[in-house]
Amino acid sequence: AQSVAQPEDQVNVAEGNPLTVKCTYSVSGNPYLFWYVQYPNRGLQFLLKYITGDNLVKGSYGFEAEFNKSQTSFHLKKPSALVSDSALYFCAVRHPGGKLIFGQGTELSVKP
Amino acid sequence: GAVVSQHPSRVICKSGTSVKIECRSLDFQATTMFWYRQFPKQSLMLMATSNEGSKATYEQGVEKDKFLINHASLTLSTLTVTSAHPEDSSFYICSARHEGGAEVETQYFGPGTRLLVL
Repeated sequence: AQSVAQPEDQVNVAEGNPLTVKCTYSVSGNPYLFWYVQYPNRGLQFLLKYITGDNLVKGSYGFEAEFNKSQTSFHLKKPSALVSDSALYFCAVRHPGGKLIFGQGTELSVKP
Repeated sequence: GAVVSQHPSRVICKSGTSVKIECRSLDFQATTMFWYRQFPKQSLMLMATSNEGSKATYEQGVEKDKFLINHASLTLSTLTVTSAHPEDSSFYICSARHEGGAEVETQYFGPGTRLLVL
């Protein structure tokens, strides 16, 4: 069965420092992986996806993620965090039927 | 990115009444839309997959007679919560799946609807 895990409920980073939000996945077949961000009382905003091609995927707002097949990971990264990056981040994997399976979410807090 | 709207953004209703939530893809057509429910500080729970021109596919444990879904066109899906009760109070979010070009397989989400049943 398709699943994703986000091992950290919360990540704290100082502004200007690099950030990493972790995601590991379990799939049968080739994975379609996604990252979304959610601000309070809002829907989810698409950041980036991996379907095929380069393992390093670049997305919106300076975020990127690296697909690592051997470690079954798809960690989200940004070289220099902003206070405005503080939000809830979700990793997701596509189920063969088309629906997305979401991780439990990671709360990112960036302090000035 | 593509834009999905939801209406209303917030609704308060009395117990026993029905509430309709609309989800529209504004700049693309979507054969498939999805309806989620989210509790505070938790992940999204998929309720059903809405298919244009056919019946919705409900997840296990979701009452199809309570949560009526209609996908009448390629840009509109509606969720009707029938005979709402306080336990139906939640944040409901829809998404529409893009099916063309570089955005294929990407789901774009609406801003959500906060439902409070008194």
